Amino acid sequence: GAGVSQSPSNKVTEKGKDVELRCDPISGHTALYWYRQSLGQGLEFLIYFQGNSAPDKSGLPSDRFSAERTGGSVSTLTIQRTQQEDSAVYLCASSYTQGGGQETQYFGPGTRLLVL
Amino acid sequence: AQKITQTQPGMFVQEKEAVTLDCTYDTSDQSYGLFWYKQPSSGEMIFLIYQGSYDEQNATEGRYSLNFQKARKSANLVISASQLGDSAMYFCAMREAYSNSGYALNFGKGTSLLVTP
Repeated sequence: GAGVSQSPSNKVTEKGKDVELRCDPISGHTALYWYRQSLGQGLEFLIYFQGNSAPDKSGLPSDRFSAERTGGSVSTLTIQRTQQEDSAVYLCASSYTQGGGQETQYFGPGTRLLVL
Repeated sequence: AQKITQTQPGMFVQEKEAVTLDCTYDTSDQSYGLFWYKQPSSGEMIFLIYQGSYDEQNATEGRYSLNFQKARKSANLVISASQLGDSAMYFCAMREAYSNSGYALNFGKGTSLLVTP
């Protein structure tokens, strides 16, 4: 079956512009996660959705970051007024939420964001 | 606080040999899960193997096995019969108890493995 897909695969933007990153999870997976991978910080957890709701947004780096999920499926991560330190690979993953190994997360190919 | 430690930034192994990638972790939970992911140069994170804290037997998936030593809090990945295509970054990750972050993973810094002919 289809895996997690993300778009765009690459995005180059100018400092101060807004960007939207999209994630389409595996069909039937109720949980969706966003992570950021950068050279200095490694892999950081950003936000988690169970269905359409995100119980905790404290992992988002600043108030310029927001995320939503609609219909229990596609999610968008929006970065407003981008800064150069936002340059990173943004990874999306999806899973069930049943524990005991059922929660294994499957990752998409990532969006490589470069802010000039 | 760093919860996953991978002490080997880089490793070399010759084709067809076995290699062990180290991972130690820190948690106060009784129930947790440990994962290994492979990230080739293409960038995609590929799930390799899972070990639950209550699993009595070490997990195996094809050429991958996990040497789980609970008392020492270590979860080393063993790759047998290395292939050139195994050259990649390898990440150890842990999920703790379900919380408002779901089962968010804590990742180690990774180990870069190079398989030589």
